[in-house]
Amino acid sequence: GDSVTQMEGPVTLSEEAFLTINCTYTATGYPSLFWYVQYPGEGLQLLLKATKADDKGSNKGFEATYRKETTSFHLEKGSVQVSDSAVYFCALENTGFQKLVFGTGTRLLVSP
Amino acid sequence: DGGITQSPKYLFRKEGQNVTLSCEQNLNHDAMYWYRQDPGQGLRLIYYSQIVNDFQKGDIAEGYSVSREKKESFPLTVTSAQKNPTAFYLCATPLAGANTGELFFGEGSRLTVL
Repeated sequence: GDSVTQMEGPVTLSEEAFLTINCTYTATGYPSLFWYVQYPGEGLQLLLKATKADDKGSNKGFEATYRKETTSFHLEKGSVQVSDSAVYFCALENTGFQKLVFGTGTRLLVSP
Repeated sequence: DGGITQSPKYLFRKEGQNVTLSCEQNLNHDAMYWYRQDPGQGLRLIYYSQIVNDFQKGDIAEGYSVSREKKESFPLTVTSAQKNPTAFYLCATPLAGANTGELFFGEGSRLTVL
């Protein structure tokens, strides 16, 4: 079945550092790919998405490019802030019924 | 404001008891979902409903039950048959106009079995 693999955390960075969180997927066909973010004690929020190969999703300074040749959707940000500290989930949708398959999440800790 | 309301935020249960988690939305959306979140395991789909009076099992439906009698409500019952019910439960509905996995989540209910 479909699956998503994320790098294990926590990822610990200083403010203004460059962020990469790796995500790879296994799926038949052409899934849509997503990054969701979860702040402490809250539900998940959609951060960005890409629906076809070579699409780049972007939001709030975060970016991710849908790479079909490497089945990857790595999350990047050029300069992180303390307020970016959260858990980030990579996910895919491949059924047409909006049934998301999630990775295990990567916790990001940003210190001042 | 439009959104999803989950209650209670925290719930404690003794072993052998059934509990019901509430999920209400005022977005007039047809589809609703229940996910379970465990540390280090991401989110897993329990049940989903595409329309009133219809629902489907997700990947981990055993020990859970749902109903969808009203469009705005999709309650989840965690039964005594659920072997490991302690978890964070999240309800979701599609973002307005979305049809590709863009979900809007509630703030969750944390269930602890004592």
